[in-house]
Amino acid sequence: DAKTTQPNSMESNEEEPVHLPCNHSTISGTDYIHWYRQLPSQGPEYVIHGLTSNVNNRMASLAIAEDRKSSTLILHRATLRDAAVYYCILRDGTGRRALTFGSGTRLQVQP
Amino acid sequence: NAGVTQTPKFRVLKTGQSMTLLCAQDMNHEYMYWYRQDPGMGLRLIHYSVGEGTTAKGEVPDGYNVSRLKKQNFLLGLESAAPSQTSVYFCASSVLRTADTSPLHFGNGTRLTVT
Repeated sequence: DAKTTQPNSMESNEEEPVHLPCNHSTISGTDYIHWYRQLPSQGPEYVIHGLTSNVNNRMASLAIAEDRKSSTLILHRATLRDAAVYYCILRDGTGRRALTFGSGTRLQVQP
Repeated sequence: NAGVTQTPKFRVLKTGQSMTLLCAQDMNHEYMYWYRQDPGMGLRLIHYSVGEGTTAKGEVPDGYNVSRLKKQNFLLGLESAAPSQTSVYFCASSVLRTADTSPLHFGNGTRLTVT
């Protein structure tokens, strides 16, 4: 399975944008890029996903490099509630293989 | 619509005891999963199911058994608990669709301590 690499931790200030990077140099053509986050003492929750084009939803934006070897999750205005562990995950196009979670990026948001 | 519900929320077992964790989903999802999360670590897949009556091994299946007798329920059993199974267990479910539109829905976890 293709692996992802993320920084262990990042810090941001409240109300500022946050760019969370993810490298996936061995991504295959049929792999989708998924992002989940896990708030303290909760199960992971889905954030966003994409294949080739940049994606936006109410929670975040996903910017995917042209060669698809990296992507960036963008939180436009960080809030204290966004402090969580963010996981970047590749999922094959059949959806038949379960998600494999790495250790993710722990985001701290300072007031 | 409760989503994914896990019971119990907390449990303490002695080494060698057995127990069953229950996961129930009310979204008519075909796929269900059991993950474990050790302190400071990411989630690791134990077992999963792609439909009623079917199960498959994940990354760390040893010491666990599962059953999916009804579509809405996925049971995780520990026959003889060991301290190494102290962890937080998460259940998740998803629809049977192509990967781009099938996010996983997670429960809030069961915190298990084996002494």
